[in-house]
Amino acid sequence: NAGVTQTPKFRILKIGQSMTLQCTQDMNHNYMYWYRQDPGMGLKLIYYSVGAGITDKGEVPNGYNVSRSTTEDFPLRLELAAPSQTSVYFCASSYGFTGGYEQYFGPGTRLTVT
Amino acid sequence: KNEVEQSPQNLTAQEGEFITINCSYSVGISALHWLQQHPGGGIVSLFMLSSGKKKHGRLIATINIQEKHSSLHITASHPRDSAVYICAVRDDKIIFGKGTRLHILP
Repeated sequence: NAGVTQTPKFRILKIGQSMTLQCTQDMNHNYMYWYRQDPGMGLKLIYYSVGAGITDKGEVPNGYNVSRSTTEDFPLRLELAAPSQTSVYFCASSYGFTGGYEQYFGPGTRLTVT
Repeated sequence: KNEVEQSPQNLTAQEGEFITINCSYSVGISALHWLQQHPGGGIVSLFMLSSGKKKHGRLIATINIQEKHSSLHITASHPRDSAVYICAVRDDKIIFGKGTRLHILP
Protein backbone atom coordinates (compact mmCIF):
# COMPACT_ATOMS: atom_id res chain seq x y z
CA ASN A 1 0.00 0.00 0.00
CA ALA A 2 1.20 3.51 -0.80
CA GLY A 3 -0.79 4.89 2.15
CA VAL A 4 -1.62 8.58 1.77
CA THR A 5 -0.06 10.41 -1.14
CA GLN A 6 -0.09 14.15 -1.81
CA THR A 7 0.88 16.23 -4.80
CA PRO A 8 2.60 18.56 -5.35
CA LYS A 9 5.35 18.56 -2.71
CA PHE A 10 6.10 22.24 -3.19
CA ARG A 11 4.33 25.11 -4.92
CA ILE A 12 4.72 28.85 -5.20
CA LEU A 13 1.60 30.82 -6.07
CA LYS A 14 1.04 34.46 -6.83
CA ILE A 15 -1.70 36.30 -4.93
CA GLY A 16 -5.06 35.66 -6.54
CA GLN A 17 -4.05 32.45 -8.33
CA SER A 18 -5.91 29.19 -7.80
CA MET A 19 -4.69 25.66 -7.33
CA THR A 20 -5.77 22.22 -6.19
CA LEU A 21 -3.80 20.11 -3.73
CA GLN A 22 -4.33 16.45 -4.47
CA CYS A 23 -4.68 13.73 -1.84
CA THR A 24 -5.22 10.01 -2.41
CA GLN A 25 -5.35 7.08 0.00
CA ASP A 26 -5.42 3.39 -0.85
CA MET A 27 -6.43 2.01 2.56
CA ASN A 28 -10.20 2.22 1.97
CA HIS A 29 -10.52 4.65 4.85
CA ASN A 30 -13.84 6.41 5.31
CA TYR A 31 -12.45 9.52 6.97
CA MET A 32 -10.12 12.00 5.31
CA TYR A 33 -8.78 15.31 6.60
CA TRP A 34 -6.94 18.39 5.47
CA TYR A 35 -4.73 20.21 7.95
CA ARG A 36 -2.47 23.21 7.73
CA GLN A 37 0.63 23.67 9.84
CA ASP A 38 1.98 27.17 10.37
CA PRO A 39 5.44 27.71 11.90
CA GLY A 40 5.39 27.24 15.67
CA MET A 41 1.71 26.32 15.67
CA GLY A 42 -0.18 23.08 16.02
CA LEU A 43 -1.95 21.45 13.12
CA LYS A 44 -5.30 23.07 12.34
CA LEU A 45 -8.14 21.19 10.69
CA ILE A 46 -9.39 22.84 7.48
CA TYR A 47 -11.99 20.36 6.22
CA TYR A 48 -12.81 16.74 6.75
CA SER A 49 -14.93 14.07 5.09
CA VAL A 50 -16.68 11.09 6.61
CA GLY A 51 -17.22 9.35 3.30
CA ALA A 52 -17.73 9.88 -0.42
CA GLY A 53 -20.08 12.77 -1.05
CA ILE A 54 -19.91 14.11 2.52
CA THR A 55 -17.66 16.94 3.65
CA ASP A 56 -17.68 19.33 6.60
CA LYS A 57 -15.80 22.37 7.80
CA GLY A 58 -13.06 22.19 10.34
CA GLU A 59 -11.53 24.93 12.41
CA VAL A 60 -10.10 27.12 9.60
CA PRO A 61 -12.14 26.55 6.39
CA ASN A 62 -12.20 30.10 4.98
CA GLY A 63 -10.52 30.40 1.60
CA TYR A 64 -10.69 26.68 0.85
CA ASN A 65 -13.05 24.21 -0.76
CA VAL A 66 -13.09 20.44 -0.89
CA SER A 67 -14.90 17.64 -2.64
CA ARG A 68 -15.06 13.88 -2.09
CA SER A 69 -16.38 12.14 -5.16
CA THR A 70 -14.61 8.86 -4.38
CA THR A 71 -13.42 7.09 -1.25
CA GLU A 72 -9.82 7.42 -2.38
CA ASP A 73 -9.53 11.10 -3.33
CA PHE A 74 -9.98 14.27 -1.28
CA PRO A 75 -8.68 17.34 -3.18
CA LEU A 76 -8.33 20.74 -1.52
CA ARG A 77 -8.99 23.81 -3.65
CA LEU A 78 -7.62 27.29 -3.06
CA GLU A 79 -9.60 29.73 -5.20
CA LEU A 80 -7.94 33.10 -4.61
CA ALA A 81 -4.60 32.53 -2.97
CA ALA A 82 -3.59 34.96 -0.22
CA PRO A 83 -0.28 35.32 1.67
CA SER A 84 -2.07 34.08 4.81
CA GLN A 85 -2.41 30.71 3.12
CA THR A 86 1.34 30.21 3.06
CA SER A 87 1.70 27.04 5.08
CA VAL A 88 2.42 23.34 4.98
CA TYR A 89 -0.66 21.30 4.15
CA PHE A 90 -1.15 17.74 5.33
CA CYS A 91 -3.77 15.30 4.21
CA ALA A 92 -4.65 12.39 6.51
CA SER A 93 -7.03 9.48 6.61
CA SER A 94 -8.44 7.11 9.19
CA TYR A 95 -10.87 4.22 9.33
CA GLY A 96 -13.01 5.93 11.96
CA PHE A 97 -13.12 9.27 13.75
CA THR A 98 -14.05 9.21 17.40
CA GLY A 99 -12.34 6.93 19.83
CA GLY A 100 -9.17 5.12 19.04
CA TYR A 101 -8.67 5.33 15.30
CA GLU A 102 -5.16 6.04 14.12
CA GLN A 103 -4.63 8.75 11.51
CA TYR A 104 -2.25 8.22 8.62
CA PHE A 105 -0.61 11.32 7.22
CA GLY A 106 0.60 12.20 3.76
CA PRO A 107 4.07 13.74 3.26
CA GLY A 108 2.76 17.30 3.07
CA THR A 109 2.65 20.12 0.51
CA ARG A 110 4.67 23.26 1.20
CA LEU A 111 2.81 26.22 -0.29
CA THR A 112 4.12 29.76 -0.55
CA VAL A 113 1.89 32.61 -1.70
CA THR A 114 3.70 35.79 -2.74
CA LYS B 1 -5.32 29.16 27.27
CA ASN B 2 -4.60 26.41 24.75
CA GLU B 3 -6.64 23.27 25.19
CA VAL B 4 -3.53 21.13 24.68
CA GLU B 5 -0.24 22.22 26.23
CA GLN B 6 3.05 20.47 25.67
CA SER B 7 6.25 20.88 27.64
CA PRO B 8 9.00 21.51 27.09
CA GLN B 9 8.78 23.37 23.79
CA ASN B 10 12.38 22.52 22.98
CA LEU B 11 14.66 19.89 24.45
CA THR B 12 18.30 19.14 23.72
CA ALA B 13 19.88 16.08 25.33
CA GLN B 14 22.90 13.84 24.97
CA GLU B 15 22.67 10.46 23.33
CA GLY B 16 21.66 7.82 25.85
CA GLU B 17 19.64 10.11 28.11
CA PHE B 18 16.12 9.29 29.28
CA ILE B 19 13.68 11.73 27.70
CA THR B 20 10.26 12.81 28.98
CA ILE B 21 7.83 14.97 27.04
CA ASN B 22 4.61 16.07 28.71
CA CYS B 23 1.12 16.82 27.44
CA SER B 24 -1.68 18.39 29.48
CA TYR B 25 -5.17 18.97 28.17
CA SER B 26 -8.25 20.73 29.47
CA VAL B 27 -11.05 19.02 27.53
CA GLY B 28 -12.79 15.68 27.83
CA ILE B 29 -11.30 13.16 25.46
CA SER B 30 -11.87 9.68 24.11
CA ALA B 31 -8.29 9.13 22.99
CA LEU B 32 -4.88 10.76 22.95
CA HIS B 33 -2.33 10.42 20.20
CA TRP B 34 1.40 10.90 20.12
CA LEU B 35 2.82 11.72 16.71
CA GLN B 36 6.37 12.13 15.45
CA GLN B 37 7.22 14.68 12.77
CA HIS B 38 10.55 14.02 11.12
CA PRO B 39 12.91 16.82 10.12
CA GLY B 40 11.81 16.28 6.53
CA GLY B 41 8.22 17.03 7.54
CA GLY B 42 6.53 13.62 7.42
CA ILE B 43 4.20 12.76 10.31
CA VAL B 44 3.79 9.27 11.72
CA SER B 45 1.58 8.04 14.50
CA LEU B 46 3.47 6.60 17.49
CA PHE B 47 0.76 5.79 19.99
CA MET B 48 -2.94 6.04 20.47
CA LEU B 49 -4.14 5.50 24.02
CA SER B 50 -7.15 6.09 26.19
CA SER B 51 -5.87 4.67 29.48
CA GLY B 52 -2.79 3.25 31.14
CA LYS B 53 0.45 2.73 29.33
CA LYS B 54 1.77 1.53 25.99
CA LYS B 55 5.28 0.53 24.99
CA HIS B 56 6.89 0.17 21.60
CA GLY B 57 10.60 -0.45 21.52
CA ARG B 58 12.31 2.38 23.37
CA LEU B 59 9.16 4.49 23.47
CA ILE B 60 6.67 4.46 26.33
CA ALA B 61 3.46 6.49 26.53
CA THR B 62 1.35 6.92 29.64
CA ILE B 63 -1.90 8.68 30.30
CA ASN B 64 -3.68 9.72 33.49
CA ILE B 65 -7.28 10.50 32.58
CA GLN B 66 -8.15 11.93 36.00
CA GLU B 67 -5.24 14.38 35.87
CA LYS B 68 -5.68 15.04 32.11
CA HIS B 69 -2.01 14.41 31.51
CA SER B 70 0.08 12.20 29.29
CA SER B 71 3.81 11.62 29.01
CA LEU B 72 5.98 10.25 26.26
CA HIS B 73 9.25 8.69 27.38
CA ILE B 74 12.23 7.70 25.26
CA THR B 75 14.79 5.40 26.81
CA ALA B 76 18.41 5.25 25.60
CA SER B 77 17.84 8.21 23.28
CA HIS B 78 19.61 8.29 19.93
CA PRO B 79 20.26 11.09 17.42
CA ARG B 80 17.71 9.48 15.07
CA ASP B 81 15.06 10.28 17.71
CA SER B 82 15.54 13.97 16.87
CA ALA B 83 12.14 15.16 15.69
CA VAL B 84 9.11 17.15 16.74
CA TYR B 85 6.75 15.16 18.98
CA ILE B 86 3.12 16.17 18.83
CA CYS B 87 0.35 15.38 21.27
CA ALA B 88 -3.21 15.36 19.96
CA VAL B 89 -6.46 14.75 21.81
CA ARG B 90 -9.75 13.75 20.30
CA ASP B 91 -13.35 13.47 21.22
CA ASP B 92 -15.80 14.94 18.73
CA LYS B 93 -12.91 16.89 17.23
CA ILE B 94 -9.16 16.58 17.25
CA ILE B 95 -6.92 19.20 18.85
CA PHE B 96 -3.17 19.26 18.36
CA GLY B 97 -0.50 20.60 20.64
CA LYS B 98 2.22 22.82 19.19
CA GLY B 99 4.80 20.09 19.51
CA THR B 100 8.06 19.53 21.37
CA ARG B 101 11.23 19.84 19.33
CA LEU B 102 13.73 17.22 20.49
CA HIS B 103 17.40 17.28 19.50
CA ILE B 104 19.64 14.43 20.59
CA LEU B 105 23.35 15.14 20.39
CA PRO B 106 25.77 12.32 19.53
